[in-house]
Amino acid sequence: DAGITQSPRYKITETGRQVTLMCHQTWSHSYMFWYRQDLGHGLRLIYYSAAADITDKGEVPDGYVVSRSKTENFPLTLESATRSQTSVYFCASSDDGGGYGYTFGSGTRLTVV
Amino acid sequence: QKEVEQNSGPLSVPEGAIASLNCTYSDRGSQSFFWYRQYSGKSPELIMFIYSNGDKEDGRFTAQLNKASQYVSLLIRDSQPSDSATYLCAAPRGGGTSYGKLTFGQGTILTVHP
Repeated sequence: DAGITQSPRYKITETGRQVTLMCHQTWSHSYMFWYRQDLGHGLRLIYYSAAADITDKGEVPDGYVVSRSKTENFPLTLESATRSQTSVYFCASSDDGGGYGYTFGSGTRLTVV
Repeated sequence: QKEVEQNSGPLSVPEGAIASLNCTYSDRGSQSFFWYRQYSGKSPELIMFIYSNGDKEDGRFTAQLNKASQYVSLLIRDSQPSDSATYLCAAPRGGGTSYGKLTFGQGTILTVHP
C-alpha cells in the first residue's frame, strides 16, 4: 500500500516489557517523526530522523529508542514499558523537512498495564 | 509560556456560520505555521500552511498570520457538520522555518450543529 503505515493499530503490553511500534512509508521521504498524543498534553515530539542513520531527540525521548537503517522504516522501541507510556503514537513523514507540513500515519494506540 | 497556544474551546457554531480558531506563538523567529484537522480517533491531516503576513485562502478555509502580534488564525466559512473536529495549530520548534520539528498547540474542538 502506498503512503505511511503504522503497525500494530492497537497494542496492550505489560509493564517492563519491550515493545516496538513500526512505521513504514513508501514515498522515500527523508524526514520521519514520532509523536505521542495524550489528553492535556497534545502532540509531543519523541524522536525524529532527517535521513537513514540520522536521528535526534525531540521533546520527550526518555524511555524510547529509535533506529533508521532504511529510509522507509522508522521503528520506535519502548525498552521497558511503563504505564506513563500509555498513549496514542503517531508516525509522520515529510520530503522537505516539514516545510510544507507532515503526513501522519493512522496511529498506534498503546496501553501499558 | 507554551510555544504554541490555542483558545481551548470547545467552540460551537451553527451550520453556515463562520468558525474562527485562534493561535498564538511565543518565538518571534517562527516563519511558518500549519493548521491540522483531526477527527475523533483519526490522525491529524494538514489543511493549511502559511508563511507570509496576511491572508491565505483555500476554498472555505482562510489562514491569517500577523507576525507583529504573533497570532495565527483559521477561519472556516459556511461551516458544515463535517467540519466538526479538533483543529491543531503548529509552528517550528525553536523558531525559523520548519526543518522537521513542529510544536503543536493543544487543539480547539469545533462542533458545527445543524
